[in-house]
Amino acid sequence: AQTVTQSQPEMSVQEAETVTLSCTYDTSESDYYLFWYKQPPSRQMILVIRQEAYKQQNATENRFSVNFQKAAKSFSLKISDSQLGDAAMYFCAYRGSNTGNQFYFGTGTSLTVIP
Amino acid sequence: KAGVTQTPRYLIKTRGQQVTLSCSPISGHRSVSWYQQTPGQGLQFLFEYFSETQRNKGNFPGRFSGRQFSNSRSEMNVSTLELGDSALYLCASSLGATVAYEQYFGPGTRLTVT
Repeated sequence: AQTVTQSQPEMSVQEAETVTLSCTYDTSESDYYLFWYKQPPSRQMILVIRQEAYKQQNATENRFSVNFQKAAKSFSLKISDSQLGDAAMYFCAYRGSNTGNQFYFGTGTSLTVIP
Repeated sequence: KAGVTQTPRYLIKTRGQQVTLSCSPISGHRSVSWYQQTPGQGLQFLFEYFSETQRNKGNFPGRFSGRQFSNSRSEMNVSTLELGDSALYLCASSLGATVAYEQYFGPGTRLTVT
């Protein structure tokens, strides 16, 4: 089975500052997608950003960007200009073309934004 | 377009009972997946349905079952509830059943077993 590891159970950041959340994964597949999801207290899973493994260019979505290191199997999320609304649980997730359509999720990182 | 809806949102059941949860996908979506989220085990895949057929199943006991109807709505059933079944159950829908298709999550059903 694929494994996704988030080694930071909790992180905090000052408002307007930048924070990086770490994620590593293990796979032998070549065709896969990586995701960061945000889960606020409402528990709704919200897609933050996604990266296709065959694309070398790192994905960006406004203040959110990733550092995708395919050889190192690393997929970190950078949040710039952090806002109070960014406070949530963040999950790194993997979906592979040969392992069904399911997500494999990491254990999550709880992000606190300090005013 | 309306998002993925799950009913009920909250449920309290007694150990030994059974429960049925419902998921209505986004209009036009034919794939529905279910996940269980608990503090101890995190997010775990239960099963996936596409065009009324179960395509994939996670590592859960046979007490957990599901089905999908011709309108793509899906239900999951848990029989003989145990305390450990207390969890947030999330469903996600997508147009197709490959990784190229985006999956959209519903708000979840919070099940409490007492």
